[in-house]
Amino acid sequence: DTGVSQNPRHKITKRGQNVTFRCDPISEHNRLYWYRQTLGQGPEFLTYFQNEAQLEKSRLLSDRFSAERPKGSFSTLEIQRTEQGDSAMYLCASSSGTAYSNQPQHFGDGTRLSIL
Amino acid sequence: DQQVKQNSPSLSVQEGRISILNCDYTNSMFDYFLWYKKYPAEGPTFLISISSIKDKNEDGRFTVFLNKSAKHLSLHIVPSQPGDSAVYFCAASARMNRDDKIIFGKGTRLHILP
Repeated sequence: DTGVSQNPRHKITKRGQNVTFRCDPISEHNRLYWYRQTLGQGPEFLTYFQNEAQLEKSRLLSDRFSAERPKGSFSTLEIQRTEQGDSAMYLCASSSGTAYSNQPQHFGDGTRLSIL
Repeated sequence: DQQVKQNSPSLSVQEGRISILNCDYTNSMFDYFLWYKKYPAEGPTFLISISSIKDKNEDGRFTVFLNKSAKHLSLHIVPSQPGDSAVYFCAASARMNRDDKIIFGKGTRLHILP
């Protein structure tokens, strides 16, 4: 399967714990994005990378959140000191090309985070 | 403030008929528009897109129409099939503004009736 892969698919943790999610993009894609989706809403942008450079972060990404893409391939999203409001589906997407090229983003199946 | 609005939370259409899903946007800087389809427990799947320099793009049973003056786009599916039952998200980005993130609407749940 050459699509976007996310692990784990589900994560249940207690409030206050740290969690880390992984995303493996489509191999030839240089851009990688993180989104968050809650019930009844569309995905909301969190941050994105071009290769290993983090180019933009949403104000939704509080200082408890950190994302990395150390070698320009896979990415991790870490949430420290989780709160109830962090419960959501975390989606990763990737795309090729530059900011001016009309290449769509392709999404993984997400990691569902549940905070007890 | 919702920059991309899908005002119909759900839509039911008879199998074989045309499904029309609507979307409005407020940001005049948006220049690239996309439709995604989502099944339960899966991520959104890209369906079709349109650049602001066009007013129509067609791919098989799917056609997207863009009316820039009205800041409105629509997705037509014809003929509708049972497998089209899913949540459809309208999305937009402002690429020429160096803004690559996608802004999504809340989605419309499409039910195809037998």
